[in-house]
Amino acid sequence: DIVMTQSPVSLPVTPGEPASISCRSSQSLLFTNGITYLDWYLQKPGQSPQVLIYSTSNRASGVPDRFSGSGSGTDFTLKISRVEIEDVGVYYCMQALETPRTFGQGTKVEIK
Amino acid sequence: QVQLQMSGPGLVKPSGTLSLTCAVSGDSISNVHWWSWVRQSPGKGLEWIGKIFQSGSTDYNPSLKSRVTISLDKSKNQFSLNLRFVTAADTAVYYCARELHSGSGPSRRYHGMDVWGQGITVTVSS
Repeated sequence: DIVMTQSPVSLPVTPGEPASISCRSSQSLLFTNGITYLDWYLQKPGQSPQVLIYSTSNRASGVPDRFSGSGSGTDFTLKISRVEIEDVGVYYCMQALETPRTFGQGTKVEIK
Repeated sequence: QVQLQMSGPGLVKPSGTLSLTCAVSGDSISNVHWWSWVRQSPGKGLEWIGKIFQSGSTDYNPSLKSRVTISLDKSKNQFSLNLRFVTAADTAVYYCARELHSGSGPSRRYHGMDVWGQGITVTVSS
């Protein structure tokens, strides 16, 4: 299975400031079609996960443009340009290159 | 708006079978998506269980494959999870989700797990 590792585990943030989460995979997530299959999900308190970014850098429908994803191969980053209070929760990266799908352990974003 | 409504018991006895259903509204399970199950336990985080395609083709996590069956009921537009011989380690919040795809053949594109059920907490206990 592909192992996904996120950092940091916990991220205190100030509203209006930028934030960044890293994710690393144990093998490249680049497929032969040129697409790199890395997703980002946010699980807000008491809710189901929701997709933010798919295939490394594509914002899902309805996701604010303050969220952006980047990276290649095995190293990926989720950036929030200006954190809002509603962004608190646990962020997960997930590889969708192969099955079984595997998730990072999560990064808990909380307001300072 | 696509919605996934989960149903099933919240308590299952050890060695019994966990059975959950996910009813789909706003989309057809006969479309070109995969229909997935994911669970979340404090000890193991998010764990992908498996998925099923409209053709009935399935793909399971090898760690659970010997105990899992995912099935479709096209007449009811729903899909189901059966997990046999459960133990306390199977206690978790279970989610169903749509793995969204568009197009076909070389133009087929993946768009993430874009719709999730509300989650059901299943406890394995006598």
